[in-house]
Amino acid sequence: EIVLTQSPATLSLSPGERATLSCRASQSVSNYVAWYQQKPGQAPRLLIFDASNRATGIPARFSGSGSGTDFTLTISSLEPEDFAVYYCHQRSNWSPSFGPGTKVEIK
Amino acid sequence: QVHLVESGGGVVQPGRSLRLSCVTSGFIFSDYGIHWVRQAPGKGLEWVALISNDGSDRYYVDSVKGRFTISRDNSKNTLYLQMNSLRPDDTALYYCAKDVTPRATGWFDPWGQGTLVTVSS
Repeated sequence: EIVLTQSPATLSLSPGERATLSCRASQSVSNYVAWYQQKPGQAPRLLIFDASNRATGIPARFSGSGSGTDFTLTISSLEPEDFAVYYCHQRSNWSPSFGPGTKVEIK
Repeated sequence: QVHLVESGGGVVQPGRSLRLSCVTSGFIFSDYGIHWVRQAPGKGLEWVALISNDGSDRYYVDSVKGRFTISRDNSKNTLYLQMNSLRPDDTALYYCAKDVTPRATGWFDPWGQGTLVTVSS
């Protein structure tokens, strides 16, 4: 079983600031990592797939990087609508799993 | 536009059964794998089960193996989750999520809005 850990658990930032979220896998998952955004009362939305590819309609301020066991989601300049919970996800070995999430909150 | 609509949730006593449905539209259902993912109140996401486009591959998280069964009816564009021997820790919002591949080995996009299952005496 591949376990994902995310840090920090909570990130307190102001609009316009840069957000850097981390995801670490317990073993190599190549580039098989995605990132999802979830706002209160809403379903998750795919942001990034294969570690660094933006999903359709996702603004360019969202970017992903990493491979192997360490991955990063960066939001270059936070907009008010970006305050949400972000989950990483790995799709290896017929047993997908999610990280525990990072909450990006308004400082 | 792709839509997934879950139903069948409710309040059920421990040990009882429930069947969830996920009706889809806007895409060729038989071309894609699909998943169930759950979220306990105030908690994170937990993948529950997947099924490939033709139903030949089915996998489950360990905590539901032997109790839950995922199935699909491609003629009705509908996904199911039969949940037996329910336990209080199965209480969650259950989402269905379309995979981007036929074998259900890819990313989850999009998701439905979820149906709430509460297991309580």
